[in-house]
Order: sequence, then C-alpha cells, then structure tokens
Amino acid sequence: DIQMTQSPSSLSASVGDRVTITCRASQSISSYLNWYQQKPGKAPKLLIYAASSLQSGVPSRFSGSGSGTDFTLTISSLQPEDFATYYCQQSSSTYTFGQGTKLEIQ
Amino acid sequence: QVQLVESGGGVVQPGRSLRLSCAASGFTFSSYGMHWVRQAPGKGLEWVAVISYDGTKEYYVDSVKGRFSISRDNSKNTLYLQMNSLRGEDMAVYYCAKEGEWLTDYYYYYYMDVWGKGTTVTVSS
Repeated sequence: DIQMTQSPSSLSASVGDRVTITCRASQSISSYLNWYQQKPGKAPKLLIYAASSLQSGVPSRFSGSGSGTDFTLTISSLQPEDFATYYCQQSSSTYTFGQGTKLEIQ
Repeated sequence: QVQLVESGGGVVQPGRSLRLSCAASGFTFSSYGMHWVRQAPGKGLEWVAVISYDGTKEYYVDSVKGRFSISRDNSKNTLYLQMNSLRGEDMAVYYCAKEGEWLTDYYYYYYMDVWGKGTTVTVSS
C-alpha cells in the first residue's frame, strides 16, 4: 500500500504569509495527487487535483506542484478563511490520505 | 445544484450491523464512481471504499474488507455502505463523495469533487 506523509503536522502563520505544505509518497505516484481543505465540523473541499490543477472556484492563491514522490501545496498570501486542516491524497493505487496539516493563526 | 446527503448513522453495539445511504442529486449519478470516506473523532480522513459507475467494480481499505460492502442503485440515485461486525475503531463520521475525473491525452486523473455533510456512526455497548 502507498503511504502518504505530510509535513509539518501543524503550522502557525499570519495573514499575508506565504505558506508551503509538503506531502511525500512512499513510492512514485506520478501526478496522481490531490489536495483538500477541511474546516472544523465541515466536509473536505477539493482544492487541487492531478498535483497542480486548480479546482473550479478555488482562489488562485492556492497552487500545487510536484511529481513522483514529492509534492507541495502553496498558499501565496494567507487569508483569514484559509486557516484549516489540509490533506493530500494519492489516487494512483486505490486512495490514501496524508495525516493532515493543521494551519493555525499565529 | 449538485448534492449528496448521507443518512443511516446512529449508535450501534459492537458486532452489530448498520447500513448507510447517500442520496445524490443534481448530476447524472449513473455516470460516476462513488466513494465512502470516514473520519474518527479528532483524527484525519480515511478512504473506505469506492464503487464504479456501473457497480461492477469495488475496492476497499484493508481494515474493512470482508465486513463492509459498498453498493449502488442507479435507478434511485443512491449509494450504500453495509457495515457488518462493527468495531470500536469503526466509530467515525462517514462521508460519501462523488468521483471526479480528468482525461488528458494519455491518462485519467481521479479525485473527489463533491462531498456530503456526513453521518455519524457511534459504536458502543
């Protein structure tokens, strides 16, 4: 089974900061990598699919990159509504989520 | 609008069964794969199962194989998850999600683009 490891597990930042979250796969998954945002008590929301494609309606301050085993999610300028937990997910061989990265206000 | 509504959660004793339902609307249900994803209290997301658009293919996470069964009724636009021999570790919010797909020149990319609000399963004696 493919394991997904995110870092950091938690992150404190301020409005306006540039933030990067990393996701590493235990084996190559090409570009079969998706990113989701989840706020407390809510369902996850798709942000990025196929490693770098922005889902319709998602602000352009979100971007994704990477291929193979190493991937990043970048938020270029944090907004108050961006404080949430972020998950990566591989779809190369069934599906696996990373453990999540909680983004908190500094 | 595109919508998924889960139901069927509740309190169940260990070893007993429960069936979850997910009613879909606003899209052609019979054209898309569908997933169940769960989240234990205070924990991360765990993919549980997927079923193909026509119900002919099913895949499960190892921890539920042989106990859970995913199915669908395309005539009713409804997805199901039959959960048998429930354990404490199955206690979670269960979400259904629609599978999105993107076809490039050579590959299909899959993701979960629409989610329900979830239904809570509590396993307790």
